[in-house]
Amino acid sequence: EADIYQTPRYLVIGTGKKITLECSQTMGHDKMYWYQQDPGMELHLIHYSYGVNSTEKGDLSSESTVSRIRTEHFPLTLESARPSHTSQYLCASSETGAPETQYFGPGTRLLVL
Amino acid sequence: TQLLEQSPQFLSIQEGENLTVYCNSSSVFSSLQWYRQEPGEGPVLLVTVVTGGEVKKLKRLTFQFGDARKDSSLHITAAQPGDTGLYLCAGEGAGSYQLTFGKGTKLSVIP
Repeated sequence: EADIYQTPRYLVIGTGKKITLECSQTMGHDKMYWYQQDPGMELHLIHYSYGVNSTEKGDLSSESTVSRIRTEHFPLTLESARPSHTSQYLCASSETGAPETQYFGPGTRLLVL
Repeated sequence: TQLLEQSPQFLSIQEGENLTVYCNSSSVFSSLQWYRQEPGEGPVLLVTVVTGGEVKKLKRLTFQFGDARKDSSLHITAAQPGDTGLYLCAGEGAGSYQLTFGKGTKLSVIP
């Protein structure tokens, strides 16, 4: 079983607030990912990292930012939350090498009022 | 852009029935993963297939990767209520570390 954790699991917050979604993995994986998923829809990649101090934007444009200061930690920050940010955010990690098998955390369900 | 089409989108069956869901693309993938996701949770990996024509079994679940590595199927024998969930396929593009996800098949198994 994969050891990847996300906090908080649920977050209800007002417009304009700054929030940070936490993601940690204990598997020593170099690669980490953030996805956004709306109900009944596919996962969209918003950020990824292939190692410490490496971050890239994904296919889906997002106003969030990420950092990768430690291998095990990949937090996502929204400087000013808006109702359009309401969604489920999923963090995943994978080890270097083929095949690309990603392990997911339980997700953070965000509601911005 | 690589796209993965999953069918059917929704499936509701009685306990004990068999079913097959499909994952199709016009693109070739280096590998393909199947996940099951329950409401409010993250996807859980079921299997990874790598070789064209490969068949893998996980208890009552049988996964097949197409010979040309463009499609895959998931067959469930004697479905049980515990099989209920969203089944997602995800393909790894050649030379890419990223996965392309399908929209999923939402399965309901009625007791």
